[in-house]
Amino acid sequence: DGGITQSPKYLFRKEGQNVTLSCEQNLNHDAMYWYRQDPGQGLRLIYYSQIVNDFQKGDIAEGYSVSREKKESFPLTVTSAQKNPTAFYLCASSIERSYNSPLHFGNGTRLTVT
Amino acid sequence: DQQVKQNSPSLSVQEGRISILNCDYTNSMFDYFLWYKKYPAEGPTFLISISSIKDKNEDGRFTVFLNKSAKHLSLHIVPSQPGDSAVYFCAASARFGAGNNRKLIWGLGTSLAVNP
Repeated sequence: DGGITQSPKYLFRKEGQNVTLSCEQNLNHDAMYWYRQDPGQGLRLIYYSQIVNDFQKGDIAEGYSVSREKKESFPLTVTSAQKNPTAFYLCASSIERSYNSPLHFGNGTRLTVT
Repeated sequence: DQQVKQNSPSLSVQEGRISILNCDYTNSMFDYFLWYKKYPAEGPTFLISISSIKDKNEDGRFTVFLNKSAKHLSLHIVPSQPGDSAVYFCAASARFGAGNNRKLIWGLGTSLAVNP
């Protein structure tokens, strides 16, 4: 079955540590995205990538970094510079980055930083 | 400032009846709208979309209506089934700035409970 796999489902880290969230897709999609979901707010775009070896900042990229070395993989690193890292993180992909190309989401990673 | 508003955090409906989920937007530049459904512990899944050149789009039990003058869209589910119980997100897309740069703005979601 094709889909997006995010791991782990729950992640706990101490403040000051960098942490990397995994996202893998086998849908052969060109575009991949990272969103963050917080209570009382809609999904907010962190980073997106339209093609391998290329990525762009979204609306809230500060304190995050990404890489896109393979089409299937788009890992997100939450660095110690991110002021409020505790959140629910969703990875998504689409056939292409166009307005009418629906997003396919993974099941998310809940990150808790103490 | 919330550009896409889902003013009802929750909705409860009897099985077999119609569910109507509402979404209001403030930016007239939005030209494409999508609805996603989310079950607990899962990511959102795409449900249905509508372009601003249309006022209605139907897919089985799901119909989305768009009223551009009122900046309002609604998702109708008929008949509602217990398996429809989920959180429904409205999202709106618009071109921002130069080139082909687009933004997708999400509402906060409405939790639908369909009671047997």
